[in-house]
Amino acid sequence: NAGVTQTPKFQVLKTGQSMTLQCAQDMNHEYMSWYRQDPGMGLRLIHYSVGAGITDQGEVPNGYNVSRSTTEDFPLRLLSAAPSQTSVYFCASSYSYRKGPGEKLFFGSGTQLSVL
Amino acid sequence: DQQVKQNSPSLSVQEGRISILNCDYTNSMFDYFLWYKKYPAEGPTFLISISSIKDKNEDGRFTVFLNKSAKHLSLHIVPSQPGDSAVYFCAAWYNTPLVFGKGTRLSVIA
Repeated sequence: NAGVTQTPKFQVLKTGQSMTLQCAQDMNHEYMSWYRQDPGMGLRLIHYSVGAGITDQGEVPNGYNVSRSTTEDFPLRLLSAAPSQTSVYFCASSYSYRKGPGEKLFFGSGTQLSVL
Repeated sequence: DQQVKQNSPSLSVQEGRISILNCDYTNSMFDYFLWYKKYPAEGPTFLISISSIKDKNEDGRFTVFLNKSAKHLSLHIVPSQPGDSAVYFCAAWYNTPLVFGKGTRLSVIA
C-alpha cells in the first residue's frame, strides 16, 4: 500500500513564484489535511477537507489555497510564495474525522520547501 | 492560545531507563488523546492513544497516563532504546481537526 504520497520531496522557489504541492492517498479516506512544521512551532494546520468538494481553513491558512475534486487528491497551492512559507509541509488523511474517538491520521513523508 | 502544550522541548535519557514525556491541555472538551513519533525526514507516525474514559493505556514498552482533573497526560517508555530517539508530539481531539503540541525531542543515549 502506498498510503499517503506527497510530491515533490524538495522544492526551492523564488519569492513571488507559484507552485502546487501534491498529495494523494489510496486508502479511500474521507478526511485530508495539510500541516506545516516549523522549528519550535510544532505541527500547525493549514487547510483540511472532510470530503470531496468540501474544504475549510485551519490555524494558518493565509497564502495557501486548496481544493478537493476527488477523494484521493488534495493539492496545496501557493499563489505567490514568500520567505515566511519556508517550511516542511505534511499531508495527512484519516478514514473520517467524524467517525468518533480513535480516528488517527496517516501522514505523508513531507515536502521541504525553501522560498528565497 | 495554545490548547495543547508540551513544555519540554527536549529530553535526554540513558538507554534502559524510563523516558517520561509530558503534555498539558486547556480544553476540557477534548475526549481523545494521541501520541505521534517523528523521525528526521519522515512524516509523523501514530504511536499510542487514550480515551478520556480511561486513565491508562499500555502497548508494549509504551504507556500513556491521563489525569483529567489536572488536564495532563504523559507518555512513559520503559525501557528506553536508542531507536526511540525522535520527536514526540502530543495531540488532542474533540470533533475537530487534531490539535498538536509543539513536540519534545527525545534523545536516548547508549
